[in-house]
Parts: sequence; C-alpha cells; structure tokens
Amino acid sequence: AQSVTQLGSHVSVSEGALVLLRCNYSSSVPPYLFWYVQYPNQGLQLLLKYTSAATLVKGINGFEAEFKKSETSFHLTKPSAHMRDAAEYFCAVSDPGGKLIFGQGTTLQVKP
Amino acid sequence: NAGVTQTPKFRILKIGQSMTLQCTQDMNHNYMYWYRQDPGMGLKLIYYSVGAGITDKGEVPNGYNVSRSTTEDFPLRLELAAPSQTSVYFCASSSPTDLINYGYTFGSGTRLTVV
Repeated sequence: AQSVTQLGSHVSVSEGALVLLRCNYSSSVPPYLFWYVQYPNQGLQLLLKYTSAATLVKGINGFEAEFKKSETSFHLTKPSAHMRDAAEYFCAVSDPGGKLIFGQGTTLQVKP
Repeated sequence: NAGVTQTPKFRILKIGQSMTLQCTQDMNHNYMYWYRQDPGMGLKLIYYSVGAGITDKGEVPNGYNVSRSTTEDFPLRLELAAPSQTSVYFCASSSPTDLINYGYTFGSGTRLTVV
C-alpha cells in the first residue's frame, strides 16, 4: 500500500536561508508524487508534481523537488526563503486507483 | 471558472444534529473526493466517487454518508454529529488526465465545530 512520511512537523528557517522539507514515500508501483501548499485558512494549492518525466521538478514560487527512487524520497527545496513562504506543506502519493495519500504535513516558519 | 465550490465555509453543530456539506465542481471531472484535515494528521480520505452513481469508502468513513447523483455534485452527510467530527473538510475533484497534469483541484474548505 502507498504511504507518505514527512519528517518534521515544524521547520523554522531565517529569511534568505535554504528551505528543505523532507518526504519519503512507499509505493508498490511507479508513483505519482505531489507537493501542495496550504496558506492559513485556505485550501490546498499544487506546488509541483512528479509523474515519471524529469526527476528534478520545478514548481511555482521558486520551489523544486528531486525524485530519488533509490532513497524513495521526494524532498522539497527552495534556495532562499521568503516571509510569504510561511505555510503548511503536504507531500502526497497517488495510489493505483488515482487517490492521493497525504503525509502529515510540515509547517514552515520563516523568521525575519 | 469557479472550480470546486464548498458551502458553508463555517458551521457550528450541536451533538446529535445532522447537516450536509455541499460540494460542486464545474470542470466535468469524474473523480470527486472528501477529505478531513486534523492538526498533525494531514488529510484523511472519507469517501470518494469515480462517477455519477458510484461511491466508495475511504480511510475514515464512519459517521458519514455521500451520494453522487450528478457529475457536478458530491454532498457529504453527517447524520448524528459527534465532537470527533470537529474538523476542516475539503472536497476535491480530478480526472485521469488532470491528475497527471494538475493533481486535484481543491475547494476552500468547510470548518465544522461540534459542541
């Protein structure tokens, strides 16, 4: 069965610092992987996705993620954090039926 | 293009009351989903539907019911509200092609409190 583990429920970085949010997955088939962002009191917005094309995926707002099959990881990075990046981030894997299985979420705090 | 519309945005229920959370999409998506979001738990799938007239249970279906009489609408019913159902509920939709290209389209959520 598919599952997702996000390491770290809270991550705090200074403005301008590297952002690294960790996601490991388990999947019995080649996975589709997604990162979503949720700003306070809003719905979820797609940041980026991996669907078996390039392993380095670029998304919106300067985020990118690298699919590493050998490590079953899909970590999200951004070279320089901005205050507006403060939000909750969710990693998700698609099961064979097309349903998304979500991780527990990571809250990103950006300090001035 | 409205996408996925959820109503109401907020609701307070008393224990034992019932209510229906409405979800409508205008993208002609076959697939629709209901998730609940609880702090530190991520999103858990309650029910899903792959087309009109077809529904199936997700991970946490107890205490809920759904119907899918049209492609556009996927209401979620709480028959006897309990405090454990206090949560934020998200409706989402997709299609096989859109899942690959865009993932799900989410509504803005319904924040439900049961007291």
